[in-house]
Amino acid sequence: QVQLQESGPGLVKPSQTLSLTCTVSGGSINTGDYFWSWIRQPAGKGLEWIGRVYTAGSTNYNPFLRSRVTMSVDTSKNQFSLKLTSVTAADTAVYYCAGWSYYYMDVWGKGTTVTVSS
Amino acid sequence: QSALTQPRSVSGSPGQSVTISCTGTSTDVGGYNFVSWYQHHPGKAPKLIIYDVNKRPSGVPTRFSGSKSGNTASLTISGLQAGDEAVYHCSSYAGSYSLVFGGGTKVTVL
Repeated sequence: QVQLQESGPGLVKPSQTLSLTCTVSGGSINTGDYFWSWIRQPAGKGLEWIGRVYTAGSTNYNPFLRSRVTMSVDTSKNQFSLKLTSVTAADTAVYYCAGWSYYYMDVWGKGTTVTVSS
Repeated sequence: QSALTQPRSVSGSPGQSVTISCTGTSTDVGGYNFVSWYQHHPGKAPKLIIYDVNKRPSGVPTRFSGSKSGNTASLTISGLQAGDEAVYHCSSYAGSYSLVFGGGTKVTVL
């Protein structure tokens, strides 16, 4: 079974870019079984889908975040990444990476907390 | 994209059944049979327990069941066990290659 692990800075300053990486283990990121996705959960709130990227490079983003989000895949490192620009306190959340299969998230990482603060 | 509506919490005694609702609109829950449910224990990765409204992945006990009527989907946990205490999230396909989630429901085993 594929396993996912998020990594990246836990603290980002306002107006800067949040950058996270998800490492895929137990299988190849090129498996073709998944669209690789990012989801986040602000404290006390529900999950929010951020977007997804396929190994061929195609992407789909949440319309509310589309202008600030970029996702990419590095097949040589078995990793995919998230960049979120111009962050504010509202972007403080636990960020999860996940594998999207058909119409559901089949596998998830444990999440990483990102705080936006000066 | 509006979040799906779930109750903040539900509770039940061991052995009892609890049902969690997940209400959306005709553009998500009501428009597609692609509702999924996730069990999330603190500090762990969320786990898929129901997909496509009522299908269980391999290894998920039959105590977990899903259904849908109109714009509302439901997750029922029968024979409640201590290990079922967790947060449960619903999700639905919302068209245009997007997903929408609910606010999450904390299940407490009394």
